[in-house]
Amino acid sequence: LAKTTQPISMDSYEGQEVNITCSHNNIATNDYITWYQQFPSQGPRFIIQGYKTKVTNEVASLFIPADRKSSTLSLPRVSLSDTAVYYCLVGGLRDNYGQNFVFGPGTRLSVLP
Amino acid sequence: DAGVTQSPTHLIKTRGQHVTLRCSPISGHKSVSWYQQVLGQGPQFIFQYYEKEERGRGNFPDRFSARQFPNYSSELNVNALLLGDSALYLCASRSGLAGGRAKNIQYFGAGTRLSVL
Repeated sequence: LAKTTQPISMDSYEGQEVNITCSHNNIATNDYITWYQQFPSQGPRFIIQGYKTKVTNEVASLFIPADRKSSTLSLPRVSLSDTAVYYCLVGGLRDNYGQNFVFGPGTRLSVLP
Repeated sequence: DAGVTQSPTHLIKTRGQHVTLRCSPISGHKSVSWYQQVLGQGPQFIFQYYEKEERGRGNFPDRFSARQFPNYSSELNVNALLLGDSALYLCASRSGLAGGRAKNIQYFGAGTRLSVL
């Protein structure tokens, strides 16, 4: 499974755009890039997933360059409630049940008023 | 629709005891995975079950075991509890390849907080 590297922590202010970049140099051809958000004492919550170029949903955007060796999660206009740990994961489908993720320590985002 | 549900939410045990944690996946999901999350760290993979068969195992001792039932719910069992087993235990489900491009999205429950004294 591809290993990922992301900043341990980031600070931002309310209303700003936050970009968290993740490196995954050994990503495999069939791997997707998935981001999760986790609040204390809760399970990780799926944010967004992509394979290449740009993906956008109602909460975030994911930018993936052509070589797929990195990706950037973009959170527009963050609020205090976005304070959480964000995990970047790579993995693909294997047979019918998929690979399990290898979680790193994630990025601890602190949004300040 | 209900998400992944886990029970109990909190549990306190003493060293040497045995514990059983339960998980009900999202309706229609056939794959269940278990993770252990120690405070301050990311979740660590323990087991994966698909169609009632073990499909993956992480680097955990044999004191950890699991099973999946015909209704796709799952149990995680831990024997001879150690202080170091204190953690948040997470269950995640995914649909597999139903519908083609499931893209390996796992949906997590809220977890069971286990404290071993």
